[in-house]
Amino acid sequence: KQEVTQIPAALSVPEGENLVLNCSFTDSAIYNLQWFRQDPGKGLTSLLLIQSSQREQTSGRLNASLDKSSGRSTLYIAASQPGDSATYLCAVVNQAGTALIFGKGTTLSVSS
Amino acid sequence: GAVVSQHPSRVICKSGTSVKIECRSLDFQATTMFWYRQFPKQSLMLMATSNEGSKATYEQGVEKDKFLINHASLTLSTLTVTSAHPEDSSFYICSASWGQGSGNTIYFGEGSWLTVV
Repeated sequence: KQEVTQIPAALSVPEGENLVLNCSFTDSAIYNLQWFRQDPGKGLTSLLLIQSSQREQTSGRLNASLDKSSGRSTLYIAASQPGDSATYLCAVVNQAGTALIFGKGTTLSVSS
Repeated sequence: GAVVSQHPSRVICKSGTSVKIECRSLDFQATTMFWYRQFPKQSLMLMATSNEGSKATYEQGVEKDKFLINHASLTLSTLTVTSAHPEDSSFYICSASWGQGSGNTIYFGEGSWLTVV
Protein backbone atom coordinates (compact mmCIF):
# COMPACT_ATOMS: atom_id res chain seq x y z
CA LYS A 1 0.00 0.00 0.00
CA GLN A 2 1.41 3.37 -1.04
CA GLU A 3 2.29 5.68 1.82
CA VAL A 4 3.47 9.26 1.51
CA THR A 5 5.52 10.93 4.22
CA GLN A 6 6.49 14.57 4.48
CA ILE A 7 9.28 15.97 6.58
CA PRO A 8 9.37 18.27 8.43
CA ALA A 9 5.80 18.60 9.68
CA ALA A 10 6.36 22.29 10.37
CA LEU A 11 8.98 24.82 9.43
CA SER A 12 9.55 28.44 10.42
CA VAL A 13 12.02 30.60 8.54
CA PRO A 14 12.79 34.31 8.18
CA GLU A 15 11.94 36.02 4.95
CA GLY A 16 14.49 35.59 2.19
CA GLU A 17 15.70 32.15 3.11
CA ASN A 18 15.86 29.31 0.63
CA LEU A 19 14.24 26.15 1.91
CA VAL A 20 13.60 22.53 1.03
CA LEU A 21 10.55 20.44 1.80
CA ASN A 22 10.86 16.69 1.62
CA CYS A 23 8.45 14.01 0.46
CA SER A 24 8.97 10.26 0.36
CA PHE A 25 6.78 7.48 -0.95
CA THR A 26 7.00 3.75 -0.35
CA ASP A 27 6.08 2.40 -3.79
CA SER A 28 8.24 3.79 -6.56
CA ALA A 29 5.85 2.66 -9.30
CA ILE A 30 4.03 5.98 -9.49
CA TYR A 31 2.31 7.65 -12.43
CA ASN A 32 3.03 11.19 -11.31
CA LEU A 33 3.68 13.33 -8.25
CA GLN A 34 2.20 16.71 -7.41
CA TRP A 35 2.90 19.43 -4.93
CA PHE A 36 -0.02 21.48 -3.64
CA ARG A 37 -0.44 24.47 -1.45
CA GLN A 38 -3.27 24.67 1.08
CA ASP A 39 -4.08 27.90 2.87
CA PRO A 40 -5.92 27.75 6.22
CA GLY A 41 -9.58 26.96 5.70
CA LYS A 42 -9.17 26.82 1.94
CA GLY A 43 -8.96 24.25 -0.82
CA LEU A 44 -5.90 23.15 -2.73
CA THR A 45 -3.78 24.97 -5.27
CA SER A 46 -1.67 22.85 -7.57
CA LEU A 47 1.93 24.06 -7.66
CA LEU A 48 3.89 21.58 -9.71
CA LEU A 49 3.20 18.30 -11.44
CA ILE A 50 6.02 15.89 -12.23
CA GLN A 51 5.38 12.96 -14.51
CA SER A 52 7.08 9.68 -13.65
CA SER A 53 9.45 10.10 -16.59
CA GLN A 54 10.56 13.57 -15.47
CA ARG A 55 13.24 14.57 -12.99
CA GLU A 56 12.12 18.06 -12.10
CA GLN A 57 9.74 20.90 -12.76
CA THR A 58 10.15 24.61 -12.16
CA SER A 59 7.69 27.42 -11.73
CA GLY A 60 8.98 30.80 -10.65
CA ARG A 61 10.69 30.46 -7.29
CA LEU A 62 9.60 26.84 -6.95
CA ASN A 63 11.52 23.81 -8.10
CA ALA A 64 10.41 20.25 -7.53
CA SER A 65 12.59 17.23 -8.12
CA LEU A 66 11.69 13.59 -8.38
CA ASP A 67 13.84 10.54 -7.78
CA LYS A 68 11.57 7.60 -8.38
CA SER A 69 14.14 4.94 -7.62
CA SER A 70 14.67 6.23 -4.10
CA GLY A 71 11.03 7.23 -3.62
CA ARG A 72 11.78 10.87 -2.93
CA SER A 73 10.76 14.30 -4.04
CA THR A 74 11.83 17.69 -2.84
CA LEU A 75 10.22 21.09 -3.19
CA TYR A 76 12.71 23.92 -3.21
CA ILE A 77 11.46 27.41 -2.47
CA ALA A 78 13.86 30.22 -3.24
CA ALA A 79 13.90 33.57 -1.50
CA SER A 80 10.92 32.78 0.71
CA GLN A 81 8.28 35.46 1.36
CA PRO A 82 5.61 35.83 4.04
CA GLY A 83 3.02 35.09 1.36
CA ASP A 84 4.52 31.62 1.03
CA SER A 85 3.18 30.75 4.48
CA ALA A 86 0.84 27.80 4.00
CA THR A 87 0.71 24.04 4.22
CA TYR A 88 2.45 22.26 1.37
CA LEU A 89 1.14 18.86 0.40
CA CYS A 90 2.83 16.19 -1.63
CA ALA A 91 0.68 13.62 -3.41
CA VAL A 92 1.25 10.73 -5.79
CA VAL A 93 -0.90 8.99 -8.33
CA ASN A 94 -0.17 5.32 -8.72
CA GLN A 95 -2.01 4.83 -11.99
CA ALA A 96 -3.58 7.15 -14.52
CA GLY A 97 -7.13 8.03 -13.58
CA THR A 98 -6.83 6.98 -9.96
CA ALA A 99 -6.97 9.15 -6.88
CA LEU A 100 -4.16 11.06 -5.28
CA ILE A 101 -2.48 9.72 -2.16
CA PHE A 102 -1.45 12.57 0.08
CA GLY A 103 1.15 13.15 2.73
CA LYS A 104 0.19 15.03 5.90
CA GLY A 105 1.89 18.15 4.68
CA THR A 106 4.52 20.59 5.86
CA THR A 107 3.24 23.77 7.44
CA LEU A 108 5.51 26.64 6.50
CA SER A 109 5.66 29.96 8.29
CA VAL A 110 7.76 32.74 6.81
CA SER A 111 8.27 35.73 9.06
CA SER A 112 8.99 39.23 7.82
CA GLY B 1 -11.15 31.09 -12.18
CA ALA B 2 -12.26 27.88 -10.56
CA VAL B 3 -12.83 24.96 -12.87
CA VAL B 4 -14.32 22.81 -10.12
CA SER B 5 -16.91 24.41 -7.91
CA GLN B 6 -17.93 22.98 -4.56
CA HIS B 7 -20.91 24.10 -2.53
CA PRO B 8 -21.50 24.91 0.25
CA SER B 9 -18.13 26.07 1.51
CA ARG B 10 -19.27 25.91 5.11
CA VAL B 11 -22.25 24.21 6.68
CA ILE B 12 -23.41 23.64 10.21
CA CYS B 13 -26.03 21.02 10.85
CA LYS B 14 -27.65 19.39 13.81
CA SER B 15 -26.74 15.89 14.83
CA GLY B 16 -28.99 13.36 13.14
CA THR B 17 -29.74 15.46 10.08
CA SER B 18 -28.40 15.02 6.56
CA VAL B 19 -26.36 17.45 4.51
CA LYS B 20 -25.56 17.47 0.80
CA ILE B 21 -22.35 18.78 -0.75
CA GLU B 22 -22.16 19.45 -4.49
CA CYS B 23 -19.14 19.25 -6.73
CA ARG B 24 -19.39 20.66 -10.25
CA SER B 25 -16.90 20.70 -13.09
CA LEU B 26 -17.48 24.03 -14.80
CA ASP B 27 -15.72 23.87 -18.13
CA PHE B 28 -15.23 20.20 -18.78
CA GLN B 29 -16.88 16.84 -18.46
CA ALA B 30 -15.57 14.68 -15.69
CA THR B 31 -16.37 11.01 -15.90
CA THR B 32 -14.60 10.46 -12.61
CA MET B 33 -14.62 12.57 -9.50
CA PHE B 34 -12.99 11.84 -6.17
CA TRP B 35 -14.14 12.72 -2.68
CA TYR B 36 -11.63 13.27 0.11
CA ARG B 37 -11.92 14.02 3.80
CA GLN B 38 -9.39 15.81 5.95
CA PHE B 39 -9.42 15.83 9.73
CA PRO B 40 -7.36 18.47 11.57
CA LYS B 41 -3.62 17.96 11.20
CA GLN B 42 -4.18 14.90 9.08
CA SER B 43 -3.65 14.22 5.41
CA LEU B 44 -6.45 14.20 2.88
CA MET B 45 -7.86 10.71 2.75
CA LEU B 46 -9.74 9.35 -0.22
CA MET B 47 -13.29 8.44 0.70
CA ALA B 48 -14.69 7.28 -2.61
CA THR B 49 -14.36 7.38 -6.35
CA SER B 50 -17.44 8.66 -8.12
CA ASN B 51 -18.12 7.40 -11.62
CA GLU B 52 -20.78 8.98 -13.80
CA GLY B 53 -23.71 6.69 -14.29
CA SER B 54 -22.54 3.96 -11.95
CA LYS B 55 -22.13 3.25 -8.27
CA ALA B 56 -19.33 4.88 -6.38
CA THR B 57 -16.37 2.87 -5.19
CA TYR B 58 -15.74 3.38 -1.50
CA GLU B 59 -12.46 3.07 0.33
CA GLN B 60 -12.14 0.62 3.16
CA GLY B 61 -13.64 1.95 6.35
CA VAL B 62 -15.98 4.42 4.66
CA GLU B 63 -19.65 3.60 5.19
CA LYS B 64 -21.40 3.73 1.85
CA ASP B 65 -24.82 3.95 3.49
CA LYS B 66 -23.75 6.95 5.49
CA PHE B 67 -21.88 8.82 2.76
CA LEU B 68 -24.14 8.67 -0.27
CA ILE B 69 -22.51 9.64 -3.54
CA ASN B 70 -24.44 10.40 -6.69
CA HIS B 71 -22.79 11.19 -10.01
CA ALA B 72 -25.84 11.72 -12.20
CA SER B 73 -24.18 13.81 -14.88
CA LEU B 74 -20.73 14.42 -16.32
CA THR B 75 -20.49 17.73 -14.50
CA LEU B 76 -22.03 17.04 -11.11
CA SER B 77 -21.30 14.72 -8.20
CA THR B 78 -22.95 15.02 -4.82
CA LEU B 79 -21.94 13.72 -1.41
CA THR B 80 -24.70 13.38 1.16
CA VAL B 81 -23.74 12.81 4.76
CA THR B 82 -26.73 11.06 6.28
CA SER B 83 -27.60 11.11 9.96
CA ALA B 84 -24.58 13.25 10.65
CA HIS B 85 -22.81 13.06 13.98
CA PRO B 86 -20.20 15.34 15.54
CA GLU B 87 -17.43 12.93 14.55
CA ASP B 88 -18.34 13.57 10.91
CA SER B 89 -17.25 17.17 11.32
CA SER B 90 -14.43 17.55 8.85
CA PHE B 91 -13.18 19.19 5.68
CA TYR B 92 -14.60 17.50 2.60
CA ILE B 93 -13.10 18.19 -0.82
CA CYS B 94 -13.72 16.87 -4.29
CA SER B 95 -11.54 16.63 -7.35
CA ALA B 96 -12.11 16.00 -11.03
CA SER B 97 -9.77 15.06 -13.81
CA TRP B 98 -9.47 16.62 -17.23
CA GLY B 99 -7.49 15.28 -20.14
CA GLN B 100 -5.90 11.95 -20.75
CA GLY B 101 -2.54 10.28 -20.40
CA SER B 102 0.41 12.43 -19.42
CA GLY B 103 -1.68 15.57 -19.87
CA ASN B 104 -4.14 14.53 -17.20
CA THR B 105 -4.77 17.45 -14.88
CA ILE B 106 -6.56 17.21 -11.58
CA TYR B 107 -8.60 20.10 -10.31
CA PHE B 108 -9.89 20.45 -6.79
CA GLY B 109 -12.95 22.17 -5.51
CA GLU B 110 -12.67 24.77 -2.81
CA GLY B 111 -13.68 22.31 -0.13
CA SER B 112 -16.55 22.21 2.34
CA TRP B 113 -16.26 22.59 6.09
CA LEU B 114 -18.90 20.53 7.85
CA THR B 115 -19.61 21.11 11.51
CA VAL B 116 -22.14 18.85 13.19
CA VAL B 117 -23.47 20.17 16.48
